[in-house]
Amino acid sequence: SQQGEEDPQALSIQEGENATMNCSYKTSINNLQWYRQNSGRGLVHLILIRSNEREKHSGRLRVTLDTSKKSSSLLITASRAADTASYFCATDAGSTLGRLYFGRGTQLTVWP
Amino acid sequence: ETGVTQTPRHLVMGMTNKKSLKCEQHLGHNAMYWYKQSAKKPLELMFVYNFKEQTENNSVPSRFSPECPNSSHLFLHLHTLQPEDSALYLCASSQVTSGGPYEQYFGPGTRLTVT
Repeated sequence: SQQGEEDPQALSIQEGENATMNCSYKTSINNLQWYRQNSGRGLVHLILIRSNEREKHSGRLRVTLDTSKKSSSLLITASRAADTASYFCATDAGSTLGRLYFGRGTQLTVWP
Repeated sequence: ETGVTQTPRHLVMGMTNKKSLKCEQHLGHNAMYWYKQSAKKPLELMFVYNFKEQTENNSVPSRFSPECPNSSHLFLHLHTLQPEDSALYLCASSQVTSGGPYEQYFGPGTRLTVT
């Protein structure tokens, strides 16, 4: 499969704690993206990391990419109840046609 | 979510009905996508349109028929659906240029229930 696979499937933490989600993929990529989905809604793009980048930050988000291990991680620092959502990684599998391959996602629950 | 709109937001239809889902993007993008999201499954790409031309059809049953009259609008025509077609149908758009990358912008989805 060319899809990314997120780990864990579900994560439950308290507000203020950090949340780390991992993504593994199988093919070469040009870039890897992380998306967020609130229950029953559309996906929202969070952050994109190119294959020649190792780490990227955006606000409370930190993404790492290890192309030798074909893996990425998304860290959300100082989590809030509003961060409760499903998080998906998506890769382009080396395609330049705009197609993305999504995994099943990690369901994050942040308790107040 | 206002960049990509989808109507209706909820749809309940019988197996013999014919209905259509509509998607409109206000972002000036040149590519549009239909996805199916079922519980516990990865997002399934159904159709891809680049510059109004269908470039991908991932073995989707013929009871799903896409239409892209222009680069801003995308339809999914539904007929004689099965209960297993009940899912959240998501539309997305992106600007596909040489070399990428391509962030996709999603609509809020249509929750479809087939009875």
